[in-house]
Amino acid sequence: EVQLVESGGGLVKPGGSLRLSCAASGFTFSNYDMNWVRQAPGKGLEWVSYISKSGSSIYYPDSVKGRFTISRDNTKNSLFLQMNSLRDEDTAVYYCGRGDLLDWGQGTLVTVSS
Amino acid sequence: DIQMTQSPSAMSASVGDRVTITCRASQGISNSLAWFQQKPGKVPKRLIYAASSLQSGVPSRFSGSGSGTEFTLTISSLQPEDFATYYCLQHNSFPRTFGGGTKVEIK
Repeated sequence: EVQLVESGGGLVKPGGSLRLSCAASGFTFSNYDMNWVRQAPGKGLEWVSYISKSGSSIYYPDSVKGRFTISRDNTKNSLFLQMNSLRDEDTAVYYCGRGDLLDWGQGTLVTVSS
Repeated sequence: DIQMTQSPSAMSASVGDRVTITCRASQGISNSLAWFQQKPGKVPKRLIYAASSLQSGVPSRFSGSGSGTEFTLTISSLQPEDFATYYCLQHNSFPRTFGGGTKVEIK
């Protein structure tokens, strides 16, 4: 069974940093591209970042480019999202997703507030 | 960036109704489109991939069609468990973009 478990969310002040993790199991992690998607409270879905199987290709939307960094450790079946210079508008549930988003984790809540 | 315009943003329907939701891409995306269902407090679930392929385990009352810039999700006979919010996603190019969502409510 595919499992994706996010962790690392919490309350952080504007301008602060947070590192999210996604632990993958039930599939060969190194064979899949991975994504982060977020959802602000009461709002729609927003794609946040993508990393290819080997980590050689990475993409972000303009809303987080230069502030967020996606990475992965295929030896530990783990995906990461380093979030710096956080803003109020980054408040959301953050999901990791496998491939073309067939599988999603349960999400971790990030709250940016003073 | 490719914009995905989803319509309607909300709708009321009755059990048994045929429901159609549309997504329009600002430029051609071939068939690189997926549809997701999200119930309150739950994780999104992929229903359709490659514009018209039904995800395994998804009831056959759901269907997708379209190519290029116009796409449709159809629920042939709405069931009580289908009341939810639906999103399209284009994965033809980066940045990936979701439609704004369609909330299907009970009439």
